[in-house]
Amino acid sequence: DIVMTQSPDSLAVSLGERASFNCKSSQSVLWDSNSQNYLAWYQQKPGQPPKLLIYWASAREPGVPDRFSGSGSGTDFTLTISSLQAEDVAVYYCQQYFSIPYTFGQGTKLEIK
Amino acid sequence: EVQLVESGGGLEPPGRSLRLSCSSSGFSFGDYAMGWFRQAPGKGLEWIAFIKSNTYNGATEYAASLKGRFTISRDDSKSVVYLQINGLKSEDTAVYFCTRGGRKDYESNSYYSWFDTWGQGALVTVSS
Repeated sequence: DIVMTQSPDSLAVSLGERASFNCKSSQSVLWDSNSQNYLAWYQQKPGQPPKLLIYWASAREPGVPDRFSGSGSGTDFTLTISSLQAEDVAVYYCQQYFSIPYTFGQGTKLEIK
Repeated sequence: EVQLVESGGGLEPPGRSLRLSCSSSGFSFGDYAMGWFRQAPGKGLEWIAFIKSNTYNGATEYAASLKGRFTISRDDSKSVVYLQINGLKSEDTAVYFCTRGGRKDYESNSYYSWFDTWGQGALVTVSS
């Protein structure tokens, strides 16, 4: 199984500042045949289901604000919020869909400083 | 609007069986893979299974640790996906989420996919 490890476990950032979340996979999730990284990011607010933010490591889901961006390739990935808004308080998960079983990181909890 | 609504959750004693249903609307159900995930109280997300569209002959994949007790199926005529859970255990206590594959199967160049739409979830509590 591919193990996904996120860091940090929690993060406190001031409104308007940048927030970055890291995700590392135990093996590459880059598929050479289509040059795609099989990595998604989700946001989950308390009492709500997860919401897809990013797929293919860097493709923003329609409707997601452009302050959210994804980057990275192979085994190391980053989700960045360029300017934190109050409504961004949530837990953020990365997930690989490169191989079965699909696996998630443990999540990073984002709070306002 | 794309919607997924789970039903069939509740309180069940250990050893019982349970079938969750997920009714969909707002999209062409038969064109998409569908999946189930779960989240135990205060814990992270766990993938359970997915079922592909007829493009892939309704192929199914399961988390190995759950295969055998969990069965995913779909009824395209009703736009519903099911999750059958047999031999319920206390560790199955969780919110179960129904999800939609991120792209129509026949438009995708990949068997595997992210999931772009999630239902609100159905709580399953296993306790005597």
